[in-house]
Amino acid sequence: DTGVSQDPRHKITKRGQNVTFRCDPISEHNRLYWYRQTLGQGPEFLTYFQNEAQLEKSRLLSDRFSAERPKGSFSTLEIQRTEQGDSAMYLCASSLGQGALSNEKLFFGSGTQLSVL
Amino acid sequence: DAKTTQPNSMESNEEEPVHLPCNHSTISGTDYIHWYRQLPSQGPEYVIHGLTSNVNNRMASLAIAEDRKSSTLILHRATLRDAAVYYCILRDVYSGAGSYQLTFGKGTKLSVIP
Repeated sequence: DTGVSQDPRHKITKRGQNVTFRCDPISEHNRLYWYRQTLGQGPEFLTYFQNEAQLEKSRLLSDRFSAERPKGSFSTLEIQRTEQGDSAMYLCASSLGQGALSNEKLFFGSGTQLSVL
Repeated sequence: DAKTTQPNSMESNEEEPVHLPCNHSTISGTDYIHWYRQLPSQGPEYVIHGLTSNVNNRMASLAIAEDRKSSTLILHRATLRDAAVYYCILRDVYSGAGSYQLTFGKGTKLSVIP
């Protein structure tokens, strides 16, 4: 399977704990995105990487959130001191960055479902 | 960003065509129209996109109104596997702050009746 892979699929944690999610994009894709989706809503943008550089962050990405993409390959999203409001599906997407953004096709993983108790 | 408006839900019978509408009356001349769909328990999946002309691919067709203020995603023969939430998204051709993000609305939930 050469799609976007996310791990774990499900995470249950207690409020105040730290959690880390991993995303493995499609191998030749240089662009990587993180989105968050709550029940009944569409995905919301969190952050964007081009290779290893984090080029854009949403205001949704509070100081408790940090994302990395060392060496421009896999990416991690860490949430520190989790809160119940962090409960959501965290989606990773990647794309091959060629040409205009308007023609870009994103490939999404199946997401990590986080439940904060 | 220009916004899109879609019906909350639609139903279709299996093996019949489905026309999913999207209104985008404030679309700019440089906005592309993208469609993604999200099957239950999965991430969104790219379906199709276009600028002015109608577009066809193996999954669907995209019909764009002449004034570009609306578009319609056409599934030619709905199958049970097409039951999903369909998102209509505008994306500007110019890069700049905020341009990397796709702005999803709530989309249209399509139910396919056997």
